[in-house]
Amino acid sequence: QQQVKQSPQSLIVQKGGISIINCAYENTAFDYFPWYQQFPGKGPALLIAIRPDVSEKKEGRFTISFNKSAKQFSLHIMDSQPGDSATYFCAARAGGRNQFYFGTGTSLTVIP
Amino acid sequence: GAVVSQHPSWVICKSGTSVKIECRSLDFQATTMFWYRQFPKQSLMLMATSNEGSKATYEQGVEKDKFLINHASLTLSTLTVTSAHPEDSSFYICSAQTGAYYEQYFGPGTRLTVT
Repeated sequence: QQQVKQSPQSLIVQKGGISIINCAYENTAFDYFPWYQQFPGKGPALLIAIRPDVSEKKEGRFTISFNKSAKQFSLHIMDSQPGDSATYFCAARAGGRNQFYFGTGTSLTVIP
Repeated sequence: GAVVSQHPSWVICKSGTSVKIECRSLDFQATTMFWYRQFPKQSLMLMATSNEGSKATYEQGVEKDKFLINHASLTLSTLTVTSAHPEDSSFYICSAQTGAYYEQYFGPGTRLTVT
């Protein structure tokens, strides 16, 4: 059973556009929601993360929106650039546990 | 900060031999490290959780006698693939945990090819 559901599987965006990736979860014990960026042949890199006590977090062009009641969170990439082309994974951690649950990933392609 | 290294970055070995992969946290101490396996265009599959000074906890379906994990210090965990077979060929990634929210920081991965 997939603990964190991620969509879309792939996304193509024009340079300068907004990329939006969505994740949903059911476990209300989750208390930490990071996003990772992975380039081919490399390990995932922590991009941005949010806790459920805030509804939005912004770091540069990257923003996480969090909807606690809907149990959904999303990553917005503003002014998308070709260098943003990568696979993005959302994740969630259950409070009191070490384990992270990862989404299935979104392959983002930003075309010039 | 929070840099994790892996060695080697890629390795080719013959079927039946063993391969050791090292995972190091370079600028922090990690009580807990994780080992993942990733197939092409797929998500991360947790193999085991490695705690310093104790036995690793393996996920269901992962053969602990085949994938030996040792967490000898707060900065080093190793994964040894014993009697490797072609089906063990994969991308292996470790992560180390630190921070107030137990963030995971990933290594660059090791590409294993078994011929």
